[in-house]
Order: sequence, then C-alpha cells, then structure tokens
Amino acid sequence: VVLTQSPGTLSLSPGERATLSCRASQSVTTSFLGWYQEIPGQAPRLLIYGASIRASGVSDRFSGSGSGTDFFLTISRLEPEDSAVYYCQHYGASQSWTFGQGTKVEIK
Amino acid sequence: QGQLVESGGGVVQPGRSLRLSCAASGFTSELPFSFYAMHWVRQTPGKGLEWLSSILSHGSHTNYADSVKGRFTISRDNSKDTLYLHMNSLKDDDTAVYYCSYDNGRGPYWGQGTLVTVSS
Repeated sequence: VVLTQSPGTLSLSPGERATLSCRASQSVTTSFLGWYQEIPGQAPRLLIYGASIRASGVSDRFSGSGSGTDFFLTISRLEPEDSAVYYCQHYGASQSWTFGQGTKVEIK
Repeated sequence: QGQLVESGGGVVQPGRSLRLSCAASGFTSELPFSFYAMHWVRQTPGKGLEWLSSILSHGSHTNYADSVKGRFTISRDNSKDTLYLHMNSLKDDDTAVYYCSYDNGRGPYWGQGTLVTVSS
C-alpha cells in the first residue's frame, strides 16, 4: 500500500481549520489507519488510530475520518502549538507498515 | 500497556555494524511480549518516517524494507522480552532515530527512540 498525503504544506492562521488528506493506492481497513504529529526533537505522537479514534490525551480539536482509499485529519481552531509535520500510517499488516510522506502545517 | 525502551545507538563509521535493543516491560501474562508482532521504524530529519522491519510473535517470519534488506536483521528473545536490530554495512543515510513499536490494539505504541549517527 502506498499512502500519498496532500497538500505538502498548509499555511493557516490561528483559529482556522486545517484539513489534511491521505490517499491509499488500494482500499485499506479503517481499523488500521493512523495519524501522527511530529515536532522536531520529539518522538512522533499518535493522534488518531482506527481512522477516527482519538488516542489517549489528544485534544478533541483533532478528528479523523474517511474510508476505503481516502482519509482525512481535521484540526479545528488551530493553535500555534499545532505547527508540525503530520503523517498518516497504515499498520494493518502484521508484517509491514506504510507511512505517507507527511504534510507540514505552518501557523502564520 | 507494555512499555518499550530502545538502546544501543551511537556514532559509528560507514561500513561498520551496530546492534540495537528494545527492552519490553509491563506486559501482562494474558498478553505477553511474545504475543505481539514487533516492528522497527526510523525517523530522519527532512525524510520523514520509514518502516524498516517486522517480526511475528514467535520469530517465525520476518519482513524488511528494500532499503535495509540484506543489511539489517531483526530478531527477538521472548525469554528476555527483548527485540533486536542488527545493522551491518551502515551508510551515511542510515543516520536516524530508531524506534521499536507494536500495535497494542489502540494503535501503534512506540518507545522513546535511540539515535544512530553514521559518520567518518
């Protein structure tokens, strides 16, 4: 499975909504689609698993949706600390995982 | 949930070898470390996240990304609750933070990572 994320970079103002896309090369099980936040110097942080389930401690400003080949991460009411690179991941197969190439979110 | 701690990173010259370890703890008797498939993933500045290798619960089957196939070997010792990554013929672009990970049913759980720097 190849995951393609768009856009490459998203530049928005605080308070706006960000919508990030992740398209799979073939239909994947929603049970195994995740989203991560990567901040420089830190380990990637799991935000969403099962396509739409927020991980423990994650703000309700983050939400995941989608099915089949098209998945989305929405960040509502952007805050300066949301500036990061976001990755989608398919972790369905017990033998191999796949990551998208990332979307950089910049807060103006 | 079970915790993971990576170790073994450091500075190594190109062409040399290194072995990373991932010590697991806090797993239950109902769902022990040996129950889970385990994975290695690396994080490279500017290049993102890359899945490297996986090993099934009892080590019966392994899988590798093309970028490390033939150079890296994944293994596990379930009696020690430890996962390993043997890295041979290291290259400059193997420089990264290396993480071990598993899907605990609530998405992949990662350790804190260990930094490998390949440099002469």
